[in-house]
Amino acid sequence: EVQLVESGGGLIQPGGSLRLSCAASEFIVSDNYMTWVRQAPGKGLEWVSVIYTGGHTFYADSVRGRFTISRDSSKNTLYLQMDSLRVEDTAVYFCARESATGIQSHGMDVWGLGTTVIVSS
Amino acid sequence: DIVMAQSPATLSVSPGERASLSCRASQSVSRDLAWYQQKPGQAPRLLIYGASTRATGVPSRFSGGGSGTEFTLTINSLQAEDFAVYYCQQYHGWPPNYTFGPGTTLEI
Repeated sequence: EVQLVESGGGLIQPGGSLRLSCAASEFIVSDNYMTWVRQAPGKGLEWVSVIYTGGHTFYADSVRGRFTISRDSSKNTLYLQMDSLRVEDTAVYFCARESATGIQSHGMDVWGLGTTVIVSS
Repeated sequence: DIVMAQSPATLSVSPGERASLSCRASQSVSRDLAWYQQKPGQAPRLLIYGASTRATGVPSRFSGGGSGTEFTLTINSLQAEDFAVYYCQQYHGWPPNYTFGPGTTLEI
């Protein structure tokens, strides 16, 4: 079954760091566009970052310079390194596969269940 | 940045009725628009991409339309399982800076 499973969330103090992982099954992470989307408690969805098949990475303004998206082909896993965490980074973090044909996106068609990050002192 | 707006914020309908949800972009996104359904405690589910193409496994009662800045998600013959929050999302332009709308809650 095609699926994504996130891990690595937890309670962290402001200014701290955390690394989220997203393990994929039945498809190859590096052959797909992969994204992170977050959802603050009781709020809507916010796109965080994307990594393209060629390795190019892009970030939302709110996290650029603090978060780093990466992948490990040998483990078929996507990562999100989060540094200098702020209270406003508190959210459920979802990883998702972005279906695409060439450069044309077809939306995020596979999602994990999410992992919760709480930034609090 | 492209800002997405959705209306109404909450839509109350009855099973069997039709629901129409609107999404507006602050500037043209062509047809680079997706719709997602999210139920409490669950991950979002892709319904529509390219403004009007149903994703795999999505029932035909879901349909999308529009282009440019105005989009609509229509759900015919509402079923109990359709009551959820619906988000639109644009993926237009370069470099990518995807944005979601604030969501429409579909309730009984």
